[in-house]
Amino acid sequence: SQTIHQWPATLVQPVGSPLSLECTVEGTSNPNLYWYRQAAGRGLQLLFYSVGIGQISSEVPQNLSASRPQDRQFILSSKKLLLSDSGFYLCAWNRGLTEAFFGQGTRLTVV
Amino acid sequence: AQSVTQLDSQVPVFEEAPVELRCNYSSSVSVYLFWYVQYPNQGLQLLLKYLSGSTLVESINGFEAEFNKSQTSFHLRKPSVHISDTAEYFCAVSPNSGYSTLTFGKGTMLLVSP
Repeated sequence: SQTIHQWPATLVQPVGSPLSLECTVEGTSNPNLYWYRQAAGRGLQLLFYSVGIGQISSEVPQNLSASRPQDRQFILSSKKLLLSDSGFYLCAWNRGLTEAFFGQGTRLTVV
Repeated sequence: AQSVTQLDSQVPVFEEAPVELRCNYSSSVSVYLFWYVQYPNQGLQLLLKYLSGSTLVESINGFEAEFNKSQTSFHLRKPSVHISDTAEYFCAVSPNSGYSTLTFGKGTMLLVSP
């Protein structure tokens, strides 16, 4: 069966510090991968998606970047965090047009 | 492009009462429809989905949703809620062809009290 791992679960970082969140998927190959951000009262916002290694599409301009160095690995990064980057970050995967499966999320607090 | 509207940000209800969480969508193409549930500090779990066929879909824990194409709605219902149903519920859509990304509503917090 397929599983998705996302870490860390919680993170407190000072403003201006770098960020690296990692997501890996097991039990499938060539998944579509997604990073969503959830801010209070604003639902889920799609940040990035990837259909293959090295292929990244950005949905909104922001202080973040994403990379896919391996087929089942998706990384969310920032060089310098802003207060507005605080939120709950979710990684997800799917195949084709089916539903997406989500990781457990990372609660990021920028202080 | 697609959009999803969940008009109710919060729905308080007593245990064993019926509940309806509303979802309306807008899309220029045909879509698949989903309901996800999120418990505190956890990821989202798929509750049910409509891909094709019968417009009434059911989950294993008593929820059901009906796809109404003319009203562009996919409301979620349960005839009798439990305390354990307290969670945030998200409606989502994706196009049923081409590349699929989910577009989510802002979520509805279901608060079940005894």
